[in-house]
Amino acid sequence: EAGVAQSPRYKIIEKRQSVAFWCNPISGHATLYWYQQILGQGPKLLIQFQNNGVVDDSQLPKDRFSAERLKGVDSTLKIQPAKLEDSAVYLCASSLGSLAGAVYEQYFGPGTRLTVT
Amino acid sequence: QKEVEQDPGPLSVPEGAIVSLNCTYSNSAFQYFMWYRQYSRKGPELLMYTYSSGNKEDGRFTAQVDKSSKYISLFIRDSQPSDSATYLCAMDQFYFGTGTSLTVIP
Repeated sequence: EAGVAQSPRYKIIEKRQSVAFWCNPISGHATLYWYQQILGQGPKLLIQFQNNGVVDDSQLPKDRFSAERLKGVDSTLKIQPAKLEDSAVYLCASSLGSLAGAVYEQYFGPGTRLTVT
Repeated sequence: QKEVEQDPGPLSVPEGAIVSLNCTYSNSAFQYFMWYRQYSRKGPELLMYTYSSGNKEDGRFTAQVDKSSKYISLFIRDSQPSDSATYLCAMDQFYFGTGTSLTVIP
């Protein structure tokens, strides 16, 4: 079974530039998550999709971050404009489902390491 | 106060040692308690999870939850160099600790 794919693996940009990350979840997984992991911290959930609808985006800085999941499969996360504090690893994960009160194992991709200079 | 606290380490032990990793949390409503392993330059992978209080064992790994103390632990028996990684606790899937870096020395 192929895992969660992410690209690019590394990206260096200057502040105020824009950047986009791509994620392809495991086939058949309805739920997709984007996390931000700053060095030395645990992952922070940015947004959760169920198929192509948003379940939770309460921690997504919507003035600069946007995400979409067209057709309920692949997803892109965009930052525009980037700030120095956006330097982090952006992790994508997927799971079979996400019913409240149940645990569905999340499978993480390798992440995209973003450096903003 | 953060919702989940975890000692970042680093922790260094000799091969074969028993390792104890711990997290504390503040929200008594948490019901699911997870442990993830994250190798360098990789995403986290779920090791095991426990619902409510009690113990759960999986091979060399044992997870314990004490809800009265808001304290969870992961024990690794007969630690191996391949166990060298960062271990993250998480509550209710989304509330992560900062991770503890573990090195097992051959």
